[in-house]
Amino acid sequence: EVQLVESGGGLVQPGRSLRLSCAASGFTFDDYGMHWVRQAPGKGLEWVSGISWNSGSIGYADSVKGRFTMSRDNAKNSLYLQMNSLRPEDTALYYCAKDPGRIAGRPVDYWGQGTLVTVSS
Amino acid sequence: QSALTQPRSVSGSPGQSVTISCTGTSSDVGGYNYVSWYQQHPGKVPKVMIYDVNKRPSGVPDRFSGSKSGNTASLTISGLQAEDEADYYCCSYAGSYTLVFGGGTKLTVL
Repeated sequence: EVQLVESGGGLVQPGRSLRLSCAASGFTFDDYGMHWVRQAPGKGLEWVSGISWNSGSIGYADSVKGRFTMSRDNAKNSLYLQMNSLRPEDTALYYCAKDPGRIAGRPVDYWGQGTLVTVSS
Repeated sequence: QSALTQPRSVSGSPGQSVTISCTGTSSDVGGYNYVSWYQQHPGKVPKVMIYDVNKRPSGVPDRFSGSKSGNTASLTISGLQAEDEADYYCCSYAGSYTLVFGGGTKLTVL
């Protein structure tokens, strides 16, 4: 059974940094691309970033480009999202999600439960 | 990276059919056969209902079907049931290792 467990969320002041993690199990992690998707309170889904199986290809939404960095450690079956220069509009539930293929090129097929990030002074 | 366009809300009575549209461009919906639809009940994690435009994961009722014409994808739910009331989102590959979601559609079963 595919399991994705996010951690690292919390309350942070504007301009500060936060690092999210996602622990994956139940599938061969290094065979699949991965994504981060977020959902602001009461709002819709927004794709944030995607990474290929070997970290060779990474994409970012324009809203986070230059501030967020996505990475993965296949030896640890883990995914990360380093978020710098956080803004109030980054407040959201952040989901770790699996791609059906090796590159980050298809809509996700499995989701974690999410970790809440709140950016506020 | 503009969001795909979905109607804000649709409604139907039990047993009826409804269709939710998802309009993009030739750079996303129209350019790839990688469109998925997700159902999200309040406070729950999204669930994939359709992938690759018209394929259904195991366990999803065949009342749910997907299609695409040009830059517009569609989700049709036939034989509406009360438990279908939820938010629905489309998502498409948009090139250069990016995805784009629609704004979401609230389905009300009258």
